[in-house]
Amino acid sequence: QSGLTQPASVSGSPGQSITISCTGARSDVGSYNLVSWYQQHPGKAPKVVIYEDSKRPLGVSNRFSGSKSGNTASLTISGLQPEDEADYYCCSYAGSSTYVFGVGTKVTVL
Amino acid sequence: QAQLQESGPGPVKPSETLSLTCTVSGVSISNYNWGWVRQSPGKELDWIGYISYSGSTNYNPSLKSRVTISIDTSRSQFSLKLTSVTAADTAVYYCARLLIGYFSMHYFDFWGRGTLVTVSS
Repeated sequence: QSGLTQPASVSGSPGQSITISCTGARSDVGSYNLVSWYQQHPGKAPKVVIYEDSKRPLGVSNRFSGSKSGNTASLTISGLQPEDEADYYCCSYAGSSTYVFGVGTKVTVL
Repeated sequence: QAQLQESGPGPVKPSETLSLTCTVSGVSISNYNWGWVRQSPGKELDWIGYISYSGSTNYNPSLKSRVTISIDTSRSQFSLKLTSVTAADTAVYYCARLLIGYFSMHYFDFWGRGTLVTVSS
C-alpha cells in the first residue's frame, strides 16, 4: 500500500477558498465512496471533517466540503479562517478491510 | 461520547516488543470496531490495523507479520503488540474508534490523545 498523493502545502488568505486534492488508485479511492478527511493541529489528535467522500459529521462547519472524481478526492475549505491552519489527511478504504492514508497537506492561512 | 486513552510502559529497545493498551469509556466497547494509527515524527498518519467487536482482526499488509491487536471487553480495553521493533517504529501511536457500515462510514470518529513510543537502545 502506497500513501495517497496530496500536495505538500496549500495556502490562502482569510475568507478565500482552498482545495486539497487526494489522488489514489482504482483499487482504493476509485472503487469506493469511502474517503474521509482529517484535520490535525500541532500536537493534537486528528479530527474527522468529511466521511463517505462528501458527508460532514455533526458539529463540523459547513465551510468544509468534499467531492470526488475518478481516483481523486478533494477537500474544499471555504471562507478560510485562522483556525483552519492545520495539517489535513485523506484516508480511503482500500478493500479487503484495509485502509490507506494520504501523505498530508499543510494548510497555511496567510 | 466515546473517550479513549492510550497507555504503555514507555521506551522500547530495538528488537523488543512494543505493547500499548487503549482504555475506552463512555460507550460499550462491545458495540464497535477499534483501531490503531501511528505517526512518525513529522510524518504522515499510518494505519496499523483494527479489531472488530467480535474479535476479528485486520492489519496493514506492511506490518502484518509483526502486529497483534486484541480486545478485553471485561476491562473495556484493546491492545497493540508490535514485535521486533526498530528505530523506524518510533512514533506517536493513536487508538481510535472505527465506524464501519455496509459500504458506508469507514472512518475514525473518536481518537485518543496519542502516546509517543521511542525505540532506542
